[in-house]
Amino acid sequence: AQSVTQLDSQVPVFEEAPVELRCNYSSSVSVYLFWYVQYPNQGLQLLLKYLSGSTLVKGINGFEAEFNKSQTSFHLRKPSVHISDTAEYFCAVSDPSGGSYIPTFGRGTSLIVHP
Amino acid sequence: EAGVTQFPSHSVIEKGQTVTLRCDPISGHDNLYWYRRVMGKEIKFLLHFVKESKQDESGMPNNRFLAERTGGTYSTLKVQPAELEDSGVYFCASSQGIGPGNTIYFGEGSWLTVV
Repeated sequence: AQSVTQLDSQVPVFEEAPVELRCNYSSSVSVYLFWYVQYPNQGLQLLLKYLSGSTLVKGINGFEAEFNKSQTSFHLRKPSVHISDTAEYFCAVSDPSGGSYIPTFGRGTSLIVHP
Repeated sequence: EAGVTQFPSHSVIEKGQTVTLRCDPISGHDNLYWYRRVMGKEIKFLLHFVKESKQDESGMPNNRFLAERTGGTYSTLKVQPAELEDSGVYFCASSQGIGPGNTIYFGEGSWLTVV
């Protein structure tokens, strides 16, 4: 079974600074990768996903992520964060070779943007 | 279009009591999922319905948990009797189809505290 590791439980950053949220997954032949965001008092919302093709994926709100197969990573980046980006971010992986498309989630990383 | 709605949003019950959580998926979505997040841990898959049938219930922790989806519309998740370790956020999600091309939409979650 797949597993997802989000090494950072909390990432504090100042407004307008760049940020990277790290995500690693256990290896497999081919996987689908996702980043979800949960803003305070809201449900999880899909930020972006990697299915195939270009390893650089662009999502909503200026976020992007890069799939690195050799390092089994899918780190999320934003060049300049806003206060409104304060939220919890979840990385997820789906491994269809196991017969299921249902995503497995990591523990989440809390992004805290300071003014 | 209404999103995935969950009720109640918060519930505090005593150990040994029963709680029933309800989820209304997006209209027309055949696939309904339940996930749970214990504080600070990953979001864990509980089960997956396709219409009224349980497609995958491998994540259900034990027989104190009972999920139903009569008529293939809304779903309920009952915990009876509740234990302290059942505390957490229960997320419901739905999708029209399965597979990576189908976005899974999440509700805001039902926060359960067992005291």
